[in-house]
Amino acid sequence: AQTVTQSQPEMSVQEAETVTLSCTYDTSESNYYLFWYKQPPSRQMILVIRQEAYKQQNATENRFSVNFQKAAKSFSLKISDSQLGDTAMYFCAFSKGGSEKLVFGKGTKLTVNP
Amino acid sequence: AAGVIQSPRHLIKEKRETATLKCYPIPRHDTVYWYQQGPGQDPQFLISFYEKMQSDKGSIPDRFSAQQFSDYHSELNMSSLELGDSALYFCASSFGGAYNEQFFGPGTRLTVL
Repeated sequence: AQTVTQSQPEMSVQEAETVTLSCTYDTSESNYYLFWYKQPPSRQMILVIRQEAYKQQNATENRFSVNFQKAAKSFSLKISDSQLGDTAMYFCAFSKGGSEKLVFGKGTKLTVNP
Repeated sequence: AAGVIQSPRHLIKEKRETATLKCYPIPRHDTVYWYQQGPGQDPQFLISFYEKMQSDKGSIPDRFSAQQFSDYHSELNMSSLELGDSALYFCASSFGGAYNEQFFGPGTRLTVL
């Protein structure tokens, strides 16, 4: 079974600064997919970024980028130029792909301070 | 763009009552998933359907059942409700493909009194 671990229950950052959220996972699969989802106070689940394990290049979406270390089974999220609207719970998630379920970590609550 | 629709958005029930949650996936999406998120917890997978057939089952109590209909909408039926069933229930949908990007609905907040 796959497991996802987020070791930082809470983090805070000043507006315009950079913050990195950590995620590690455990799997015996050789190919899989990793995601970061954002859940703001509205509780809506919003996909932030995704990474295919077979791709060596780290995914980037505007101010969001990941550091994917397959051998170390690490998948961290870097948020640059943090904005107040980035305040949310962030969940790291794993999927074997296809029509497979998502397995989530416990989440990291990020607060961006003005 | 069309999103996943869930109804109702809020539901209040008494213990031992029955609840039905509905999900309308994004058009042309072939897979529907149900997740349960308790207070302060991460979403937990309950069950999924691919092309109207159950494709996977997670930690779903026997008191819960679900199905996907010919028009691809799905319903989660919950009977003999318990206080611990109070949670946010998400439906998500995806269109096959390799990376399985799941799009989540806004959720149904169920409160059991």
